[in-house]
Amino acid sequence: GEDVEQSLFLSVREGDSSVINCTYTDSSSTYLYWYKQEPGAGLQLLTYIFSNMDMKQDQRLTVLLNKKDKHLSLRIADTQTGDSAIYFCAENRNRDDKIIFGKGTRLHILP
Amino acid sequence: EAGVAQSPRYKIIEKRQSVAFWCNPISGHATLYWYQQILGQGPKLLIQFQNNGVVDDSQLPKDRFSAERLKGVDSTLKIQPAKLEDSAVYLCASTQESGSYEQYFGPGTRLTVT
Repeated sequence: GEDVEQSLFLSVREGDSSVINCTYTDSSSTYLYWYKQEPGAGLQLLTYIFSNMDMKQDQRLTVLLNKKDKHLSLRIADTQTGDSAIYFCAENRNRDDKIIFGKGTRLHILP
Repeated sequence: EAGVAQSPRYKIIEKRQSVAFWCNPISGHATLYWYQQILGQGPKLLIQFQNNGVVDDSQLPKDRFSAERLKGVDSTLKIQPAKLEDSAVYLCASTQESGSYEQYFGPGTRLTVT
């Protein structure tokens, strides 16, 4: 498809792991990103992965990339209340060098 | 390092009025982007500048939107006349150079058109 797709909502209990999934459009995209947006704020780059990698870990964050299926996921270990935000998946589309964003997944933390 | 600055943070106007937004990117960042983020959606690129030249404005509705980046630093985005569907958050972002993997975003300007 032409859109970066991700589910709109995810609820997770505090302390559990959160997994946010995304499918992107261009199998030749160079970079894939996860951005975090808190209420009233701009987007903050959380992490990114190069297309020649299949996994990247950064403290509580793990990114998995499946190029064959054009699937990207973000796992947040030990989810905290401060992780409550909207998470955007994005790809650096190779054919026009544009960054294309998904619609965002709203992560809600249950006590 | 100061971040990307935008003003105003909020603006409410009536349809058919004009509005302008201002962005000051991170010092030394050559590339500047304006995005439109409609409620419930991801940001959509409106225009990209490299220094003071336009790299991509293919998704800018040029009949009503205009943008400039005089002297290759600050930028303004103008809407004239505004329509109801222009209600959105307008985000400015900058990178050190085109193709850099990390874009730094400002807090955005929330525009409401009534």
